[in-house]
Amino acid sequence: GGIITQTPKFLIGQEGQKLTLKCQQNFNHDTMYWYRQDSGKGLRLIYYSITENDLQKGDLSEGYDASREKKSSFSLTVTSAQKNEMAVFLCASSPGLGGGEQYFGPGTRLTVL
Amino acid sequence: GEKVEQHQSTLSVREGDSAVINCTYTDTASSYFPWYKQEAGKSLHFVIDIRSNVDRKQSQRLTVLLDKKAKRFSLHITATQPEDSAIYFCAASIGNSAGNKLTFGIGTRVLVRP
Repeated sequence: GGIITQTPKFLIGQEGQKLTLKCQQNFNHDTMYWYRQDSGKGLRLIYYSITENDLQKGDLSEGYDASREKKSSFSLTVTSAQKNEMAVFLCASSPGLGGGEQYFGPGTRLTVL
Repeated sequence: GEKVEQHQSTLSVREGDSAVINCTYTDTASSYFPWYKQEAGKSLHFVIDIRSNVDRKQSQRLTVLLDKKAKRFSLHITATQPEDSAIYFCAASIGNSAGNKLTFGIGTRVLVRP
């Protein structure tokens, strides 16, 4: 089996700060995803990537950048953290084509002071 | 774009009874419908899925029904147990494109009480 790791587990930032979240997977999956989970709003897709160096915007990409420098890693940058923002960011991966199970990481909990 | 609605925010059932969670979707092109479970303090994990070429799929105590005409799908949990208590998310995607871009519902919290 494989595993998805996300770092850091908790991230506290200041308003306006640029913050980076990292994700690694050893499933050898082609596709990776970043979701934001807010209480009462489910999961919303921020960015996804179907292969190394590919980036596709999701429904919530404004205010974020992403980078897929190699197949196993996918990072997300909050370009300017918003005061009182609190959410969990979930990374996932999947083999890619035709639907199929996505495997989720444990999440990074962001708090902006 | 696709919208997935999950109509119950919470569902309380007695242990041993059945639980049914309903979802609707808007995009007729959607063909892949997975369900994910999130236990307290944990991340999501996959529980079951259904594709549009069938209208029913069962895995042990879980059954998914799909009504393409009504654009509705549901998760049925029979003989509920305490470990079934969790938030359940339905999702939909076109499913035949690279990337499997899922649209999720907001989640239904299922509480199995003794």
